[in-house]
Amino acid sequence: QKEVEQDPGPLSVPEGAIVSLNCTYSNSAFQYFMWYRQYSRKGPELLMYTYSSGNKEDGRFTAQVDKSSKYISLFIRDSQPSDSATYLCAMSARAGGSYIPTFGRGTSLIVHP
Amino acid sequence: DTAVSQTPKYLVTQMGNDKSIKCEQNLGHDTMYWYKQDSKKFLKIMFSYNNKELIINETVPNRFSPKSPDKAHLNLHINSLELGDSAVYFCASLAAGGDEQYFGPGTRLTVT
Repeated sequence: QKEVEQDPGPLSVPEGAIVSLNCTYSNSAFQYFMWYRQYSRKGPELLMYTYSSGNKEDGRFTAQVDKSSKYISLFIRDSQPSDSATYLCAMSARAGGSYIPTFGRGTSLIVHP
Repeated sequence: DTAVSQTPKYLVTQMGNDKSIKCEQNLGHDTMYWYKQDSKKFLKIMFSYNNKELIINETVPNRFSPKSPDKAHLNLHINSLELGDSAVYFCASLAAGGDEQYFGPGTRLTVT
């Protein structure tokens, strides 16, 4: 079993839909949880970052962490065609000051007009 | 103004050749990384450099060698290229005590 599991999709939704992206993990030492967005032929860029369980909202994006279930989610409200990208979850447990993130394989999202 | 830059953007070469990919960051960050992203989009860490010292090496073949002439640069040298080395290689940097990595645009390496 991989440390971080993420369904690769593709996930295809109509414009305006609510999108739910999810990751599960097995390492209970993970404390930091991130969502990156990667457009085609570009580098990943940080979208959301959370440290503890609960919800964090930023505009149309909400990140949710459930440490008891080892499950994280990213919700996108009122999805737009410009949201079409690959979304990678990442998580880490700081070890002696080193930052060693583990990435999921990414979910490809397609928002069609 | 580009924060993390990589050259070249595309690299096509034959098996057995030696090649280098360059990375520069102008963010003043202390830690830089090299990642490999394969065709299935898995992003795997290869190396991390902190203040010119290697602190992570995730079982990468010794054909790959990172070289950091200074804090702003982390180059990746690959000897005896193999077909399986074909992938997109990303450089990233991280501020001291930070959690947000800044990624470069990637170098698409194709080995024929």
